Amino acid sequence: DAKTTQPTSMDCAEGRAANLPCNHSTISGNEYVYWYRQIHSQGPQYIIHGLKNNETNEMASLIITEDRKSSTLILPHATLRDTAVYYCIVRVARGNKLVFGAGTILRVKS
Amino acid sequence: SAVISQKPSRDICQRGTSLTIQCQVDSQVTMMFWYRQQPGQSLTLIATANQGSEATYESGFVIDKFPISRPNLTFSTLTVSNMSPEDSSIYLCSVEDRGPGPGETQYFGPGTRLLVL
Repeated sequence: DAKTTQPTSMDCAEGRAANLPCNHSTISGNEYVYWYRQIHSQGPQYIIHGLKNNETNEMASLIITEDRKSSTLILPHATLRDTAVYYCIVRVARGNKLVFGAGTILRVKS
Repeated sequence: SAVISQKPSRDICQRGTSLTIQCQVDSQVTMMFWYRQQPGQSLTLIATANQGSEATYESGFVIDKFPISRPNLTFSTLTVSNMSPEDSSIYLCSVEDRGPGPGETQYFGPGTRLLVL
């Protein structure tokens, strides 16, 4: 599976949009971009995933560049409860393990 | 999405003993995974457990230390054998299931927090 690169940490003001970038320049054509988050010592929570089109759900939006070498996770109105470690992972859509990097620590501040 | 529970949620154990962690899913799933998260670290896959076949272990993990059972499509156990303080970690079960969007998605249980003294 392709490797990903994420900033170590980011801060965001409560109520503002949080934009979390991820680079995956070696992504293959059949690999999806997945985002998870882990709130202090809980099990990782699935957020969203996509192949090449932008995706949106009730939690977040995923913007994937046309060349698929990078993506951005957008939390439209961050709250204090969104403070967590966010992981960007690329893998094929079925049967493969998730390879977790260090992720981005997002701190939402009031 | 699949709902996953784990037992116990946490435990404190003495070195040299063994602990069996249970993972229960509310639907039938083919693939289950066991991960470990050491203090301050990210998650690392221990093994993949498919029903009806032997578990497949990642490099650095062996069956004698982490035996896994997968008796049916909704249940699995991971045993941490002959424990040492270095085994103190969060152990997480995950399953692959149909989710929103294309392909399949992995969902995680709440984890088992193990402290070995």
